[in-house]
Amino acid sequence: GNSVTQMEGPVTLSEEAFLTINCTYTATGYPSLFWYVQYPGEGLQLLLKATKADDKGSNKGFEATYRKETTSFHLEKGSVQVSDSAVYFCALTFNAGNMLTFGGGTRLMVKP
Amino acid sequence: DAGVTQSPTHLIKTRGQQVTLRCSPKSGHDTVSWYQQALGQGPQFIFQYYEEEERQRGNFPDRFSGHQFPNYSSELNVNALLLGDSALYLCASSFGGLADNEQFFGPGTRLTVL
Repeated sequence: GNSVTQMEGPVTLSEEAFLTINCTYTATGYPSLFWYVQYPGEGLQLLLKATKADDKGSNKGFEATYRKETTSFHLEKGSVQVSDSAVYFCALTFNAGNMLTFGGGTRLMVKP
Repeated sequence: DAGVTQSPTHLIKTRGQQVTLRCSPKSGHDTVSWYQQALGQGPQFIFQYYEEEERQRGNFPDRFSGHQFPNYSSELNVNALLLGDSALYLCASSFGGLADNEQFFGPGTRLTVL
């Protein structure tokens, strides 16, 4: 079946550090890929997405590139802020209905 | 414009009881999906409702059932509660159930089973 694997957290960084959160997937076919963010006490918010190979999703300084050859969708940000502290989820879905398959989540803590 | 709303916020039940959770989708959305998020884990898909019918279902037992009303709101029912059902239950809404249409998530209902 389909699955998503993320690097385990927590990831602790100082403000303005570079962020990478690794995400790889296993799927039959070519899914759409997503990053969601969950702030404390809130639901999930879509951060960015990519729907085909080599697409780059970007939002709020975050980027991720759909790499078909390595089945990866790593999340990056050049300079994190304290306000980026949250749990980040990588997810995939196929066009026939949009059931999302999530990874286990990675908690990011940014210290001033 | 209200986003996805869920009620109640928190709920405490005992083993064997039954529970009903409610979700109102974002305005203009007609598809509702339910997810279970255990502590420290990613959400797992329970089922999706579209046009008042269950369209997709994840790997959850029949104790989990749902309903969608003509106004597109939805309920999740869980019978014979187990300790392992303790989790955050998330509702997500979208339009038409297509992968390219963003799903908007509600804040969730925290269910504790004692």
